[in-house]
Amino acid sequence: GAGVSQSPRYKVAKRGQDVALRCDPISGHVSLFWYQQALGQGPEFLTYFQNEAQLDKSGLPSDRFFAERPEGSVSTLKIQRTQQEDSAVYLCASSFGTGNTEAFFGQGTRLTVV
Amino acid sequence: SQQGEEDPQALSIQEGENATMNCSYKTSINNLQWYRQNSGRGLVHLILIRSNEREKHSGRLRVTLDTSKKSSSLLITASRAADTASYFCATGDNNAGNMLTFGGGTRLMVKP
Repeated sequence: GAGVSQSPRYKVAKRGQDVALRCDPISGHVSLFWYQQALGQGPEFLTYFQNEAQLDKSGLPSDRFFAERPEGSVSTLKIQRTQQEDSAVYLCASSFGTGNTEAFFGQGTRLTVV
Repeated sequence: SQQGEEDPQALSIQEGENATMNCSYKTSINNLQWYRQNSGRGLVHLILIRSNEREKHSGRLRVTLDTSKKSSSLLITASRAADTASYFCATGDNNAGNMLTFGGGTRLMVKP
């Protein structure tokens, strides 16, 4: 596609519900990142994939967060047993290479846990 | 945790004026990038400057990088109302696929 696509754009979940957020990166992009952005803050790193390999998941806040990219393209971020503190915008970004290259961001998924 | 800190946190100027935003960071970097974010939207890449570069231009944008002071600045010349947005600096780590560490952002308002 023309850019990074994320779905859904908005998600309201009841506390305790599981959610799955999808990211379609730009075709051919090797690197894929997930970030979490709280209101009024800068994005914070969650996890990084190089093709299908999850090379860094140090930013995932708890074991309720899980991400996968099984075929090296589409990625899913899953949050189990959502809590109110999980409410944020979840941003996905992809880049062609693994070095000094710009990252292209999707529009994000705004998750509200009620 | 966020590596960069932007200064000022908020900036309000008149159309036609220049806007300068500063960013400081803590650890060594491979590159530093500036992004723009309109309310409720994703981030748009503006400029990437490598650690061995000191200055870069793109249209009305000018970015400087001082690695000895661990700081960068973004200058927008002849600002327009459409430049109203949040601006973030982000440092890149090539050891993690160029994972970006963002600052808290500067909220710029350009009044027509």
